[in-house]
Amino acid sequence: QLQLQESGPGLVKPSGTLSLTCAVSGDSINTDHWWSWVRQSPGKGLEWIGEIDQSGSTNYNPSLKSRVTLSIDVSKNSFSVRMTSVTAADTAIYYCARGGEKSSGWFDPWGQGTLVTVSS
Amino acid sequence: DIQMTQSPSSLSASVGDRVTITCQASQAITNYLSWYQQKPGKAPKLLIYDASNLETGVPSRFSGSGSGTKFTFIISSLQPEDFATYYCQQYDNFPLTFGGGTKVEMK
Repeated sequence: QLQLQESGPGLVKPSGTLSLTCAVSGDSINTDHWWSWVRQSPGKGLEWIGEIDQSGSTNYNPSLKSRVTLSIDVSKNSFSVRMTSVTAADTAIYYCARGGEKSSGWFDPWGQGTLVTVSS
Repeated sequence: DIQMTQSPSSLSASVGDRVTITCQASQAITNYLSWYQQKPGKAPKLLIYDASNLETGVPSRFSGSGSGTKFTFIISSLQPEDFATYYCQQYDNFPLTFGGGTKVEMK
């Protein structure tokens, strides 16, 4: 069945750049689905970061849009998030998830999540 | 942004109890609402989509209803494995947003 797995550094320095990749297995990423990043921190609960489709079209949360870039690599069946100028407020568990088909929707399945700590 | 307000934020219940959680949207979202269950250290798991459709494999004791701005999630008979935190999520408008969660604890 479809599985997603996040990977990337668990520690990022303040003002640095957070980069994570989500590897998709069990099916092709080249479908009509959107592919999302969601983060969870104690202070802000679940927060949607943005989504990308197989053509590279994106939608971002306006609160993060100036610092976030999503990308997709169909040949590697993966998609990525890059967040610049991180602060302690960006410390969170980051999840990747499959979103809606043809339009934004619910998230299913989710990756197991990866904790990213912003600290010097 | 559409604000999703869940209530209660936590509740205590016993096995066999009927549990009801509500989710109120700050503006109408038709039926573009999903519900998730999250256990400690795990990712959220989809239970219900389009307000009332049960995801494949999810037990029938879980149900959802509502449209517009008010939504209800019910566990008809709480089981030991149901102690968890539950979240609603709207997908009618960007940015996609979640409720603050309801923690279901053992009484």
